[in-house]
Amino acid sequence: AQRVTQPEKLLSVFKGAPVELKCNYSYSGSPELFWYVQYSRQRLQLLLRHISRESIKGFTADLNKGETSFHLKKPFAQEEDSAMYYCALSGQNFVFGPGTRLSVLP
Amino acid sequence: NAGVTQTPKFRILKIGQSMTLQCAQDMNHNYMYWYRQDPGMGLKLIYYSVGAGITDKGEVPNGYNVSRSTTEDFPLRLELAAPSQTSVYFCASSRQAGAEAFFGQGTRLTVV
Repeated sequence: AQRVTQPEKLLSVFKGAPVELKCNYSYSGSPELFWYVQYSRQRLQLLLRHISRESIKGFTADLNKGETSFHLKKPFAQEEDSAMYYCALSGQNFVFGPGTRLSVLP
Repeated sequence: NAGVTQTPKFRILKIGQSMTLQCAQDMNHNYMYWYRQDPGMGLKLIYYSVGAGITDKGEVPNGYNVSRSTTEDFPLRLELAAPSQTSVYFCASSRQAGAEAFFGQGTRLTVV
């Protein structure tokens, strides 16, 4: 079975502070993992995927198969990063975690 | 390129009414998905399809039905609307298993 967990419902940080959004998964096969972002009242959009290993808007995420984690990190948070962030796993189907609302305070 | 298109954007239903949420994609994607998004609950998978003629239940299928007669379209049917189905519904598609999912703009449904 596929499962994605995000332990924090809400994460508040000050502008310029580092941020880490946690994601853990369970999947018996070889996972494809993604981070999606949803700004207020907009559709979900892809932020990054683990196989591309790129940095988007300053965010990075590393797949740790030993810890079954795919945490999202940014060294210096900006106010425009405030949004809902969803970790997702694509295997048999596409499953999302419950999401973490990031609030970046001025 | 329109991507994934959902109609309608908003709808208010009375308890017991039925309706169909439309979803169409023009990217020739094999996989299509329906999710509902409730406040604080994230996205729950309702149904998905891996190709025309093939559908399967997700996590929360009760009260819904789907069909996939063409590659492009994946309508979601509510037969007897209930207040518990008040939610925002998102349709998505992906080229194949493991590929990025593209989302529609969502349908905000209220059942009163």
